[in-house]
Amino acid sequence: EPEVTQTPSHQVTQMGQEVILRCVPISNHLYFYWYRQILGQKVEFLVSFYNNEISEKSEIFDDQFSVERPDGSNFTLKIRSTKLEDSAMYFCASSEARRRDSYEQYFGPGTRLTVT
Amino acid sequence: SQQGEEDPQALSIQEGENATMNCSYKTSINNLQWYRQNSGRGLVHLILIRSNEREKHSGRLRVTLDTSKKSSSLLITASRAADTASYFCATDAVSNTGKLIFGQGTTLQVKP
Repeated sequence: EPEVTQTPSHQVTQMGQEVILRCVPISNHLYFYWYRQILGQKVEFLVSFYNNEISEKSEIFDDQFSVERPDGSNFTLKIRSTKLEDSAMYFCASSEARRRDSYEQYFGPGTRLTVT
Repeated sequence: SQQGEEDPQALSIQEGENATMNCSYKTSINNLQWYRQNSGRGLVHLILIRSNEREKHSGRLRVTLDTSKKSSSLLITASRAADTASYFCATDAVSNTGKLIFGQGTTLQVKP
């Protein structure tokens, strides 16, 4: 069964460093998302991406964040200068282009980012 | 309360019993989705119910949706120890571009 994959599973970085989180969405999906979950808290939307551009972004997704689809398969989230509060589990999700009332979003296993 | 609030926050039952979790939301939705998350792991999609549907079944799962009350429930019948996890509802609001808004989740413990 097709699935969303993410690498790395765990990333440790120092404050101020740049990180790139990678995702490979399900191959026939056209809508891509990043979410994050701080430990013990609920899952929060970061950004949605369609047709090579951002569809919507949350307040969390400030100038330090960027997304890119560099080729036909990868979808990346870059944090330019990490802060301690960026420590969280980051989930990539994708959905197929179907009717809006039946867009199931499938999530990857997540990348645990630890900023020290 | 915020969009997608579940209750109870925690539920502990014996294997074989049924577990019911509720979710309330605030805005008009396209659909509501339920996910399971095992401790520290990814989100597994369980079921999607559209705004024009009232009930949906998938195996031991039954989901209901009441758009007049802006609420949904997830029933897991004949629970198993392997059902121990956190369960989240997530809403796709009509005004949004497909983003999901998650609740805080219900932590379910099924004792063998």
